[in-house]
Amino acid sequence: ETGVTQTPRHLVMGMTNKKSLKCEQHLGHNAMYWYKQSAKKPLELMFVYSLEERVENNSVPSRFSPECPNSSHLFLHLHTLQPEDSALYLCASSQEPGDRADTQYFGPGTRLTVL
Amino acid sequence: GDSVTQMEGPVTLSEEAFLTINCTYTATGYPSLFWYVQYPGEGLQLLLKATKADDKGSNKGFEATYRKETTSFHLEKGSVQVSDSAVYFCALSGATNKLIFGTGTLLAVQP
Repeated sequence: ETGVTQTPRHLVMGMTNKKSLKCEQHLGHNAMYWYKQSAKKPLELMFVYSLEERVENNSVPSRFSPECPNSSHLFLHLHTLQPEDSALYLCASSQEPGDRADTQYFGPGTRLTVL
Repeated sequence: GDSVTQMEGPVTLSEEAFLTINCTYTATGYPSLFWYVQYPGEGLQLLLKATKADDKGSNKGFEATYRKETTSFHLEKGSVQVSDSAVYFCALSGATNKLIFGTGTLLAVQP
């Protein structure tokens, strides 16, 4: 595997379910990110981890819980979601998060539908 | 705060037509500017970037020039192909080092 991978690619869940999204980067990067992509809205940054430490949490509801066990893996744990949480969830990684010229590399995303 | 404004789509062109997608930004200081592309069913890929004024980013026939005087970073391509059909996102990274994205522009190229 190369680049950034995400599983599952598609997920349908009820509002009372608990599920997790997984992201893995094979690029040796130091930072990982979760974004939410909704139709006709700019990408929303949810969480940033740098060297496995959370450095950003953009007022995301507590029903989204991130976990970064090491620099290559990032999880997003989901519980008691709402239908408005249906979106494409994108993971990204980068090498130098403190450098404004830093390039982020994105995975293909998980398409989440909450019923 | 920092922001990016890009033209709304969809943009529909015939193959071999000239493409321009406008992007303007608001930021303090000297941000880096990016164009990302998202093909159907995929994540975002970096298309090109520029890190200082008057820099030109280029890749796969696409170009964009960092214009500080007009706070713009318009994307151009001289001759589009059907395979260029995708959503294009303009973005900046400024004082906070966070990527700020525009809403995206859907490009549809017809044979």
